[in-house]
Amino acid sequence: AQSVTQPDIHITVSEGASLELRCNYSYGATPYLFWYVQSPGQGLQLLLKYFSGDTLVQGIKGFEAEFKRSQSSFNLRKPSVHWSDAAEYFCAVVDNDMRFGAGTRLTVKP
Amino acid sequence: NAGVTQTPKFQVLKTGQSMTLQCAQDMNHEYMSWYRQDPGMGLRLIHYSVGAGITDQGEVPNGYNVSRSTTEDFPLRLLSAAPSQTSVYFCASSYNSGNIYEQYFGPGTRLTVT
Repeated sequence: AQSVTQPDIHITVSEGASLELRCNYSYGATPYLFWYVQSPGQGLQLLLKYFSGDTLVQGIKGFEAEFKRSQSSFNLRKPSVHWSDAAEYFCAVVDNDMRFGAGTRLTVKP
Repeated sequence: NAGVTQTPKFQVLKTGQSMTLQCAQDMNHEYMSWYRQDPGMGLRLIHYSVGAGITDQGEVPNGYNVSRSTTEDFPLRLLSAAPSQTSVYFCASSYNSGNIYEQYFGPGTRLTVT
C-alpha cells in the first residue's frame, strides 16, 4: 500500500529563516501528493497538491513543494518563516483513500 | 454554510461504554470520512462513505461502526470503548471521492476512555 514518511518529528527555526520539511513516499506509480497544515485545536487545511506536470508546485501562505521522483520525495519549503507558521504539517498521498504521514511540528523562535 | 460540524467536542467514557460521535455537513458533499489522530501516528482513516447508503473500511476500522442514511450525516459508533480508542477524532467531507484531497475537516472530538 502507498505510504508517506516524515522523518522529522519536530523542527525549530528562527523567524525569517528558510524552512524545509521532508516527506518521502512509497508508491509504485506517479503519486498524488499533498501537504496540509494543522494549527493547534483545528482541523487540517490543504496547503498545496501535486498531480503531474511541473514538479515545483506553489501553495497558499507562501509555501512551495518540489516533487523529485528519483528521491521519492515531496519536500515543503518556505523562504522566510513567520511566527504564524508555527503548526503541525502533514504530508499525504492519495490512491483509493488518503494516507497521512506522522506529521512534523514546527516551532518558530522570535 | 456551517461546513463540517462535530459533536461533542470533548467526551470521557469508561471502558465498555458505547457512544456515537456525530458528524454533519451542509455542503451536499458525497464523500465523508472519519480519521483518528494519535501522537506520532498522523491521521489514520477509520471508515469512509462515497454516498448515502455506501460505507467502507479504512485503515483502522476495528471497534467502530458507521452508517450513512443521509447525505448530510455520518455518525461514528464506538460499540464498547477501550482505552486504545483514546484519541482525537476528525470527520471530513469532500465533493466526491475524486476530490478527497480537498476535504473539509471538522473541528475534532477529543475522546478519553478510562
